[in-house]
Amino acid sequence: DGGITQSPKYLFRKEGQNVTLSCEQNLNHDAMYWYRQDPGQGLRLIYYSQIVNDFQKGDIAEGYSVSREKKESFPLTVTSAQKNPTAFYLCASSPTGRSYEQYFGPGTRLTVT
Amino acid sequence: AQKVTQAQTEISVVEKEDVTLDCVYETRDTTYYLFWYKQPPSGELVFLIRRNSFDEQNEISGRYSWNFQKSTSSFNFTITASQVVDSAVYFCALSRNPNTGNQFYFGTGTSLTVIP
Repeated sequence: DGGITQSPKYLFRKEGQNVTLSCEQNLNHDAMYWYRQDPGQGLRLIYYSQIVNDFQKGDIAEGYSVSREKKESFPLTVTSAQKNPTAFYLCASSPTGRSYEQYFGPGTRLTVT
Repeated sequence: AQKVTQAQTEISVVEKEDVTLDCVYETRDTTYYLFWYKQPPSGELVFLIRRNSFDEQNEISGRYSWNFQKSTSSFNFTITASQVVDSAVYFCALSRNPNTGNQFYFGTGTSLTVIP
């Protein structure tokens, strides 16, 4: 089955700790994206990558970091610098040149206390 | 700048009623794409429809229908004969021409509750 996997579904961390969210896709897509969703709000773009070893900041990149060492993987690290890390995080991917065709993963709900 | 507005935060209807979810967008692009997604309590985004800016033809898919009007920058979504399974948060989104930008712009969502 082709698709996007995000693990775990729920993640709990103590304040001050960095945490890495996993995103893997087997759709052979070049572009990948990370979005954040807060209650009562739409999704906001954190980072995106159009190709391996390259990525760009989205609207709310502060306090986050990413890497893109493999085409299939785009992990997101939520650092201790992120003031309000508790949120629902969604990963997506799209074929090259077709960013309007984004496929979304199931999401990871991160709770930091 | 791109912007999507979903003015209805929450809607409740009784089962079998029709309901329309409103979406108004802003963009100066001539080529763009509009979307509707459903987000059930599980959180996963379920793709419902994509329209490009050159196709204003309305679409019907079962109990779902979409009304795209460029003159009013609206892309409204109607559910006919609503069912309890339709209860979810619905997002309208806009995407630019891939040559211009890769980002999706989401509205804040409309939470629909269908009461049995």
